[in-house]
Amino acid sequence: KNEVEQSPQNLTAQEGEFITINCSYSVGISALHWLQQHPGGGIVSLFMLSSGKKKHGRLIATINIQEKHSSLHITASHPRDSAVYICAVPRNTGNQFYFGTGTSLTVIP
Amino acid sequence: DVKVTQSSRYLVKRTGEKVFLECVQDMDHENMFWYRQDPGLGLRLIYFSYDVKMKEKGDIPEGYSVSREKKERFSLILESASTNQTSMYLCASSPPGYNEQFFGPGTRLTVL
Repeated sequence: KNEVEQSPQNLTAQEGEFITINCSYSVGISALHWLQQHPGGGIVSLFMLSSGKKKHGRLIATINIQEKHSSLHITASHPRDSAVYICAVPRNTGNQFYFGTGTSLTVIP
Repeated sequence: DVKVTQSSRYLVKRTGEKVFLECVQDMDHENMFWYRQDPGLGLRLIYFSYDVKMKEKGDIPEGYSVSREKKERFSLILESASTNQTSMYLCASSPPGYNEQFFGPGTRLTVL
C-alpha cells in the first residue's frame, strides 16, 4: 500500500508546454512537500504547503486538503525543468516522510 | 546555506566487502537520515538518527548499520555488500519537526 501516489510516472513535453504533475495521499497531513531531483542526484525542496496555492517563478503548487490531492504545475516549460519531481508527506512519528515514487519529466527543445 | 556532503559520488565494491558511506552536515541539525533510491521504488528510509549516538531503523534496515558519534556526521555501513545493495544512497538532515530535509548529492554504489 502506497501512502503517496504520483502520476504520471514519466512525462515528455515540448518546450513551452504547460505541465501538471499530480500527487494523491491517504494519510492526514499538516503539510505537503514537493522536491526536485536533477540528473546527477541532488534533491532540493521546491515547496512546502498546507493549504491553497504557492508560486515560485514558473512553478505553481496547489493542495486540496479535503480531497487529499496536490498538483505541481510548470508554466512555459523549459529543457532545464527536466528532472524528477517527488511529492512527500509527513508520517506520524519521527520526523519522517512518505515519498512518492517520483515523476520523471523531460522537456524537449 | 545548508550543506550536506557525502564522501563519494561513485563507488564500486565487490560482494562481501565492508562498505562505509559517510555523510556530513554543517547546520547543526539534530535529525539525519539515510535513504536508498531505486527506479520505480522511490526513496526508502534505511536508518535515521535524531541525536548523537541515537539511531532508529527505517523501513529497510536489513543488511545495513549506522553510526553517529558526532552530531554533524552520520555513517552508513554495509557489513558485507551484496549485489542487491547496488543503488543510489542519499543522506539528508533536518532540524526537529516535519521541516524541509536537506539532501546530499548522493552516492551511486555498484556492488559487483
